[in-house]
Amino acid sequence: QQQVKQSPQSLIVQKGGISIINCAYENTAFDYFPWYQQFPGKGPALLIAIRPDVSEKKEGRFTISFNKSAKQFSLHIMDSQPGDSATYFCAASIGETSGSRLTFGEGTQLTVNP
Amino acid sequence: NAGVTQTPKFQVLKTGQSMTLQCAQDMNHEYMSWYRQDPGMGLRLIHYSVGAGITDQGEVPNGYNVSRSTTEDFPLRLLSAAPSQTSVYFCASSYSWTGGFIGYTFGSGTRLTVV
Repeated sequence: QQQVKQSPQSLIVQKGGISIINCAYENTAFDYFPWYQQFPGKGPALLIAIRPDVSEKKEGRFTISFNKSAKQFSLHIMDSQPGDSATYFCAASIGETSGSRLTFGEGTQLTVNP
Repeated sequence: NAGVTQTPKFQVLKTGQSMTLQCAQDMNHEYMSWYRQDPGMGLRLIHYSVGAGITDQGEVPNGYNVSRSTTEDFPLRLLSAAPSQTSVYFCASSYSWTGGFIGYTFGSGTRLTVV
């Protein structure tokens, strides 16, 4: 049973555009929601994360929006660049300090055309 | 710091063979985990450890064993390889603190093919 569902599976955006990736979760005990970025041949790397007591978090061009009542969260990449082309994973866990059990979404392959 | 080191990077096994995927970290992280990555399924947790001598099962543990005799090492053993275990395997480590977010540090992966 996939507890974190991610969409779309793939996304093509023009340079300078906005990339939006959505995730929905089922387990209301989740309280830590990170996003990971993965380049081909590499392991995932933490991009940005949010807790459910915050509705939005921004770091540079990357923004997480969180809707606790809808059990949804999304990643927005503003001014998308070709270097952002990668696979993005949302994830969720119980306890940001547990560090041991992340549940991942299925991933979104983002292509930013120049 | 080397971070999280996984060996080998590539491996081909025959059905029924056994092998150990190695994972080592030099950051003194207490938590270590093994994930497998399959197309369209994200990363799924196989086993994890919250410290030396302590391990537990994740979402897909069948066919795999782990042990954690030291803080640094967390090997993953395939007991009798099956084609369904063809995947990319990632080891990750992390630590806990109360100051804010933590993130996993992932290794670069082991691509395993079982024929």
